[in-house]
Amino acid sequence: QQQVKQSPQSLIVQKGGISIINCAYENTAFDYFPWYQQFPGKGPALLIAIRPDVSEKKEGRFTISFNKSAKQFSLHIMDSQPGDSATYFCAASKRGGAQKLVFGQGTRLTINP
Amino acid sequence: GAGVSQTPSNKVTEKGKYVELRCDPISGHTALYWYRQSLGQGPEFLIYFQGTGAADDSGLPNDRFFAVRPEGSVSTLKIQRTERGDSAVYLCASSPRTSKNTGELFFGEGSRLTVL
Repeated sequence: QQQVKQSPQSLIVQKGGISIINCAYENTAFDYFPWYQQFPGKGPALLIAIRPDVSEKKEGRFTISFNKSAKQFSLHIMDSQPGDSATYFCAASKRGGAQKLVFGQGTRLTINP
Repeated sequence: GAGVSQTPSNKVTEKGKYVELRCDPISGHTALYWYRQSLGQGPEFLIYFQGTGAADDSGLPNDRFFAVRPEGSVSTLKIQRTERGDSAVYLCASSPRTSKNTGELFFGEGSRLTVL
């Protein structure tokens, strides 16, 4: 059962452009929505996260937009740079003790110089 | 500072063999997780430890998989009678005490298991 669906699978953006990755979830008990960035041969690393009490969170060039009624959230990368080329995963988890994250399938982002 | 350390980084074994994968979490982190990442997929939850006990092992696929954390620090994931379908990257993550953490998991680089 796929609880978090992510799109697109791959994305190519020109340097300086805006990269947008979308996710949709099914379980309304989810209350924590992080984005992880993964470079080849490395483990995922937290990029930015949001809780459903806000509709947007911005950290530098990275912004999460959250639509609770639609059960969707997205990552926007402004002024995309070649160093942003990586695989991005959205995830979700429920309130409680464990960070039992449910991950999306991932988006391979390539920023062309 | 030192991050989550996983050994071996690569393991090639034959079908039917026994495998152990080790995780050394960040010092002071009481929560430890194992995830499995198949090629081209997102990580999938396997098991969660809070201290020495397995608080949630609902992600373990079957009884060939077992994990321990005897002293509340280092953890070992054990796979018996390996099958080709077990081939994946096994990721370990740790986090501080649940009541204080921000939700962030700190992942290691993973152990890539290949079953021939």
